Amino acid sequence: DQQVKQNSPSLSVQEGRISILNCDYTNSMFDYFLWYKKYPAEGPTFLISISSIKDKNEDGRFTVFLNKSAKHLSLHIVPSQPGDSAVYFCAASARNTGNQFYFGTGTSLTVIP
Amino acid sequence: EAQVTQNPRYLITVTGKKLTVTCSQNMNHEYMSWYRQDPGLGLRQIYYSMNVEVTDKGDVPEGYKVSRKEKRNFPLILESPSPNQTSLYFCASSLFAGLAANTGELFFGEGSRLTVL
Repeated sequence: DQQVKQNSPSLSVQEGRISILNCDYTNSMFDYFLWYKKYPAEGPTFLISISSIKDKNEDGRFTVFLNKSAKHLSLHIVPSQPGDSAVYFCAASARNTGNQFYFGTGTSLTVIP
Repeated sequence: EAQVTQNPRYLITVTGKKLTVTCSQNMNHEYMSWYRQDPGLGLRQIYYSMNVEVTDKGDVPEGYKVSRKEKRNFPLILESPSPNQTSLYFCASSLFAGLAANTGELFFGEGSRLTVL
């Protein structure tokens, strides 16, 4: 059973607008969350993370929001740029259960110039 | 340059012919892991290793073996490959996953696309 879910397989956004990518999880033991970005023919690269003690973490154009009660996190990209077009994976881990990372199925973002 | 190196990048093989996908990292990372990426299923963890001689099963370990004899290397072994192991495989490493002192960031290799006929 998928413990981390990304229900939108794809998203298209105009350049300069906000991109919002969503992720839901089912395991309340998860306490660390990450977003990865993947270009074709490359491995995923780390983008931004958030610990469960926070509800927001910002890094330049990227902000991750965590809503623990809803078991939901989102990645906001503002402003979106064509170079942001990629597949985005969210991932979660529970540090007291063996250091496994659980990934979502990914959302393919297309930023239209 | 800090990197995770996988070989081969592409491989077509036949059912039952043993193969090994190598993974090497030059960052002195303790944690290493293997994932497979399949359409609609995302990245699923096959095996991971917390340190030398310490390995654990992930979510989809059936049909795979791993070993961690040295810190830098974490090969993935398919003793008798089958068509359902056709997939894109990623090796990843992290300084140490999950500690408050570490972001838990995983560094990924470029992937190995395996086709089993």
